[in-house]
Amino acid sequence: DAGVIQSPRHEVTEMGQEVTLRCKPISGHDYLFWYRQTMMRGLELLIYFNNNVPIDDSGMPEDRFSAKMPNASFSTLKIQPSEPRDSAVYFCASSLSLGTTSTEAFFGQGTRLTVV
Amino acid sequence: AQSVTQLDSQVPVFEEAPVELRCNYSSSVSVYLFWYVQYPNQGLQLLLKYLSGSTLVKGINGFEAEFNKSQTSFHLRKPSVHISDTAEYFCAVIRMDSSYKLIFGSGTRLLVRP
Repeated sequence: DAGVIQSPRHEVTEMGQEVTLRCKPISGHDYLFWYRQTMMRGLELLIYFNNNVPIDDSGMPEDRFSAKMPNASFSTLKIQPSEPRDSAVYFCASSLSLGTTSTEAFFGQGTRLTVV
Repeated sequence: AQSVTQLDSQVPVFEEAPVELRCNYSSSVSVYLFWYVQYPNQGLQLLLKYLSGSTLVKGINGFEAEFNKSQTSFHLRKPSVHISDTAEYFCAVIRMDSSYKLIFGSGTRLLVRP
C-alpha cells in the first residue's frame, strides 16, 4: 500500500477563496483523522470519522471548515472562505479499529496551506 | 477529558549522549500511549506504542519508553543519540473507551549537536 495520500502537497490561495484538501486513507482502515499543525497550537485534532461517519468534529474551528467522507477511500476538508489565520500544515491520518494489535495511526505527508 | 503534557519544548544534547523526553498524561480511563517522530517537512512516523503487557516498550531507531501507571508517565529514552535523531517528538494517547480520539502533546524538539 502507498500509505495515506494527501493532495495537494502545497496550496497558496488568496483570502476569501475556497480551499479543498484531499485525503486517501490506507485501504481497509476504518478510522480517518484530520489534524492541523501550527507553531502556536501544535497538532490539533479537527475531526475524525469511523466507517465514513463523522464521530467528533468538536475541533473544527468554525463554520468555515467542513469535512466529508463520501466513501471509505476518500475524504475532503474544505475551508470557505479562507483566511490568513488558516495558514498551517493539514495532516490526514488513518487507522484500523481500536483494540487490535495494529492500533496505530498512519499519517500522510501533509498539505501546507498558505492564505495570502 | 484527557490531556498530554510534554514539559520540555526543546532538548539539546551532544551526539552519543543519552536522552530522555518526558511525557505525562491525564485520563479518567485507561489509555493507549504512543510516541511519534516528525522530521522536517514530513508527516509523523510511529516510534513505539504501549497497548498492554510489558511496561517497557522498544521501538525503532534504538528508542524505548516505559509506561508508569502510578506516575501517569510514558517517557522516551535513547542511550546514545545520533545527529540524525534531530527531529520533533510527539507523545500521544487514545482513550480505552468508546471514543477513539488520538490526542497529541505539544511536542519536544530534540536537537543533537556534534
